[in-house]
Amino acid sequence: GAVVSQHPSWVICKSGTSVKIECRSLDFQATTMFWYRQFPKQSLMLMATSNEGSKATYEQGVEKDKFLINHASLTLSTLTVTSAHPEDSSFYICSAGRTYNEQFFGPGTRLTVL
Amino acid sequence: EDQVTQSPEALRLQEGESSSLNCSYTVSGLRGLFWYRQDPGKGPEFLFTLYSAGEEKEKERLKATLTKKESFLHITAPKPEDSATYLCAVQAYRGGSEKLVFGKGTKLTVNP
Repeated sequence: GAVVSQHPSWVICKSGTSVKIECRSLDFQATTMFWYRQFPKQSLMLMATSNEGSKATYEQGVEKDKFLINHASLTLSTLTVTSAHPEDSSFYICSAGRTYNEQFFGPGTRLTVL
Repeated sequence: EDQVTQSPEALRLQEGESSSLNCSYTVSGLRGLFWYRQDPGKGPEFLFTLYSAGEEKEKERLKATLTKKESFLHITAPKPEDSATYLCAVQAYRGGSEKLVFGKGTKLTVNP
């Protein structure tokens, strides 16, 4: 149990385009989902916390207009990177909270912006 | 500010050579300390949660312990398949929600 999926697993796009990443909790309902970014040899950095049916809460320094998060249901959250640039290339990982102290992570999405 | 520091950054062991990884933390209001395993190009895989000083948890060759300032992940008689990056994270209640703050990880390589 407690499986989280992400789609796509990798994506390559041109600079200036937008990319959508989906995060799904497959066998449980997640009231809270989290989006992280991980650069090579760096720790996971929390970007935003989203609760179903409400606006996401962004961490300091994360542009909410650039990283659009939608948490439309208890099993689906999406992250859209708008007008992506090469510096947005990173490994994006979502996690879903089953209870307040349980977070289960997706397999990650490798974004490369050319 | 919440902070998590893991050491060493990288560790090479021979198969069967036991060792420990360290995670030191500063956080006000610790809600839990987590250990994850991360394989290259994958998301973190949950290993343990520890809540209070003195607590210990075991799973196969891994044992996690917690004090008021740090946690250790002990690896007994490791095998090559234990090679991975081990992440430590502390959970704190900030801004109305539970959040995890991660360390940079320890990359473990176990040679056969």
